[in-house]
Amino acid sequence: DIQMTQSPSSLSASVGDRVTITCRASQSISRYLHWYQQKPGKAPKLLIFAASTLQSGVPPRFSGSGSGTDFTLTISSLQPEDFATYFCQQSYITPPYTFGQGTKLEIK
Amino acid sequence: QVQLVESGGGVVQPGRSLRLSCAASGFSFYTYDMHWVRQTPGTGLEWVAAISYDGSDKYYADSVKGRFTISRDNSKDTLFLEMDSLRPEDTAMYYCVKPLRRGIKWFDPWGQGTLVTVSS
Repeated sequence: DIQMTQSPSSLSASVGDRVTITCRASQSISRYLHWYQQKPGKAPKLLIFAASTLQSGVPPRFSGSGSGTDFTLTISSLQPEDFATYFCQQSYITPPYTFGQGTKLEIK
Repeated sequence: QVQLVESGGGVVQPGRSLRLSCAASGFSFYTYDMHWVRQTPGTGLEWVAAISYDGSDKYYADSVKGRFTISRDNSKDTLFLEMDSLRPEDTAMYYCVKPLRRGIKWFDPWGQGTLVTVSS
């Protein structure tokens, strides 16, 4: 199975900061990497798919990049509603479609 | 508007069974593969199972293979997860998820989830 490792596991930042979260795959997954945002008590919500494509309705302050094994999610200027947990997920070829362990973004 | 509504969760003893349901609406259910994903505080998100649009192909995580069965009723726009021989480590929030588009494996939307607790 492909293992997904996110870093950091948690992050404290302030409104207006630029934040980057990293996701690394245990083998090349091309660009089959997707990012989700989860707020407390809610289901995850798709933010970015295929490494860099913003899901409809997602603000342009969110961006994704990478290919192969290394990927990043960047929030250019944190807003209060962005404090949440972020997960990456790979969907390369066959199941299981594994997730990273999550990055909890907290207010500093 | 696409909607997925799970039900059937609850508290169950180890070794017992439980059947989860997911009622789908707002899209052509019979044309989409569907998946179950679970979430625990300790192990995060785990893909559990998938079923093809017509029910002919099924896939499982190793952790549930042989104990869980995914199925669907396209006449009722409903997805199921039959869980047998439940273990404490199956305790989780179970989400029904739809691929964003046909033929892909990234998910939007997710249902609200149904909580399964396996405990004596």
